[in-house]
Amino acid sequence: TQLLEQSPQFLSIQEGENLTVYCNSSSVFSSLQWYRQEPGEGPVLLVTVVTGGEVKKLKRLTFQFGDARKDSSLHITAAQTGDTGLYLCAGARIGSGNTGKLIFGQGTTLQVKP
Amino acid sequence: EADIYQTPRYLVIGTGKKITLECSQTMGHDKMYWYQQDPGMELHLIHYSYGVNSTEKGDLSSESTVSRIRTEHFPLTLESARPSHTSQYLCASSEYGGTGSLSYTFGSGTRLTVV
Repeated sequence: TQLLEQSPQFLSIQEGENLTVYCNSSSVFSSLQWYRQEPGEGPVLLVTVVTGGEVKKLKRLTFQFGDARKDSSLHITAAQTGDTGLYLCAGARIGSGNTGKLIFGQGTTLQVKP
Repeated sequence: EADIYQTPRYLVIGTGKKITLECSQTMGHDKMYWYQQDPGMELHLIHYSYGVNSTEKGDLSSESTVSRIRTEHFPLTLESARPSHTSQYLCASSEYGGTGSLSYTFGSGTRLTVV
């Protein structure tokens, strides 16, 4: 059973288009993070959201945490070829205490074509 | 700049060989993790450590073993490599868990191919 479902799993768009990636769960998370991974490299943290309903912006990227802290979305405005990569959401489950263990989604592969 | 280092980056090895994947971090983080990832796929936790002399198996069963003798060092060993072990292995560390304060730093990974 996948605790964090990401959709879509693959997205191919033209440069300049907008896109949204979703991360959904039936579980409540104390925090949720988004990572971006390029081929042959490890994931790099983009943002952490903590409060239900929270919205964070990072240049052309907008991240939102659902009110119930069960879901999150990543919106990219005017995508660029440099946005190409694997986007992973990850959540810290309620009750995980100080284990520091994250649950990862299966990832969304984004391809931005020039 | 704080960092986490994995060596080797790429390894091709024959079946039955013993291998050790190295992971070191310079940030003084207590918690460290090993993940297994197939290309473009999700990460599966195979080992984690809360600190020196503390290791636990992760959610994905793995024939590998780990040790944590020093805070900065978290090597992973496969006693007898098999083709099914072919994968990307990612090491990560975090400063501490908890609401709003959890952040992983990942190494660049070791791409292992067992032939």
